[in-house]
Amino acid sequence: GENVEQHPSTLSVQEGDSAVIKCTYSDSASNYFPWYKQELGKGPQLIIDIRSNVGEKKDQRIAVTLNKTAKHFSLHITETQPEDSAVYFCAAHRRSNFGNEKLTFGTGTRLTIIP
Amino acid sequence: EAGVTQFPSHSVIEKGQTVTLRCDPISGHDNLYWYRRVMGKEIKFLLHFVKESKQDESGMPNNRFLAERTGGTYSTLKVQPAELEDSGVYFCASSQEKPGRPNTEAFFGQGTRLTVV
Repeated sequence: GENVEQHPSTLSVQEGDSAVIKCTYSDSASNYFPWYKQELGKGPQLIIDIRSNVGEKKDQRIAVTLNKTAKHFSLHITETQPEDSAVYFCAAHRRSNFGNEKLTFGTGTRLTIIP
Repeated sequence: EAGVTQFPSHSVIEKGQTVTLRCDPISGHDNLYWYRRVMGKEIKFLLHFVKESKQDESGMPNNRFLAERTGGTYSTLKVQPAELEDSGVYFCASSQEKPGRPNTEAFFGQGTRLTVV
């Protein structure tokens, strides 16, 4: 089955600096890679995703890159703000022939933005 | 429109007792998922419903866990009898397929924090 590794487990950056979180996956058939942000007391919320036919996607201060050959994908947050503090999860997804859909998550990164 | 709601938000029970978690997906979503996060680890898939049918229950830890989705609306996850290692945060998510779009966003509830003592 799919295995997703995520690094680092914790990350502290000064407000205004950039943060990068990296993930690797094992199943070359995975074709969808969402990133979720979990704030305290809330459930994970999708912030950006990328499909396997795209190498990079950007949405304002957030970008995701995908290297299918190396099975790496990364989340980049620029100009970080205090409200970016949260736990971030990467995930990989492959849809089977039976319509089976499930996400395999990384272990999460606790990002702390230092004012 | 209401999001995915879960009840209760917290539950503390003694080992050997029974607990039932409930999830109300977004109205009209056929897909309903249960996930669990044990402290500090990844969010792990438990099972997937399509309407009232179990599509994949490969992630269910053992036969102490029973999930139902009668009528294809809300779902319950019962743990009986609960063990210490069942402690964690249980998340429910729902999604709805869109024509021409192979992967669909899963919307998560806020989770139920289960503590077995």
